[in-house]
Amino acid sequence: GEDVEQSLFLSVREGDSSVINCTYTDSSSTYLYWYKQEPGAGLQLLTYIFSNMDMKQDQRLTVLLNKKDKHLSLRIADTQTGDSAIYFCAETPGSSNTGKLIFGQGTTLQVKP
Amino acid sequence: GAGVSQSPSNKVTEKGKDVELRCDPISGHTALYWYRQSLGQGLEFLIYFQGNSAPDKSGLPSDRFSAERTGGSVSTLTIQRTQQEDSAVYLCASTRGLAFSSYEQYFGPGTRLTVT
Repeated sequence: GEDVEQSLFLSVREGDSSVINCTYTDSSSTYLYWYKQEPGAGLQLLTYIFSNMDMKQDQRLTVLLNKKDKHLSLRIADTQTGDSAIYFCAETPGSSNTGKLIFGQGTTLQVKP
Repeated sequence: GAGVSQSPSNKVTEKGKDVELRCDPISGHTALYWYRQSLGQGLEFLIYFQGNSAPDKSGLPSDRFSAERTGGSVSTLTIQRTQQEDSAVYLCASTRGLAFSSYEQYFGPGTRLTVT
């Protein structure tokens, strides 16, 4: 089946790097995503990676994909208090031709000043 | 506005009543998704529309849940005989369609449903 797992909480100091980890079970996943949810706000797509890529960098964000271990990570460099939010890992299952997303439980990132 | 909109933003209803939740996708987006976010279950897929058809309803939790889409635009999610476990935030998302890359689903702000 399709399952996505994340740790629930991460606390860092402002200016440090944050690394949020995710594991998934579907080896045929096509796209993997990171979404951000701020309190009272909707889901915002931060970045995504296609399954044939190992790494993607976008400004302060770096996504690493280890397809062998089915492990995805999001690194946020120079973390700011405005980065405090819930971060969701999600995948598009390879078995699906609908583009639906399977989400992890979300990791709450707390950034201390 | 240019984004996905949902109404109402909050809905409180009594157990056993029916509710309708509305989603207005981004203009021109042919694909529409409903998800549910609850404390116990996290973020779950409910149903997918391509145009007015729903080829994937696999996430609907029971036959009390139904959805329709008209004119390839607005979608309504209906929950009949609401139960307390239906309390959640219902999110709608749209995307241009699978002929394009599916990587960018745009989410609405959600409807928070509370069943008392």
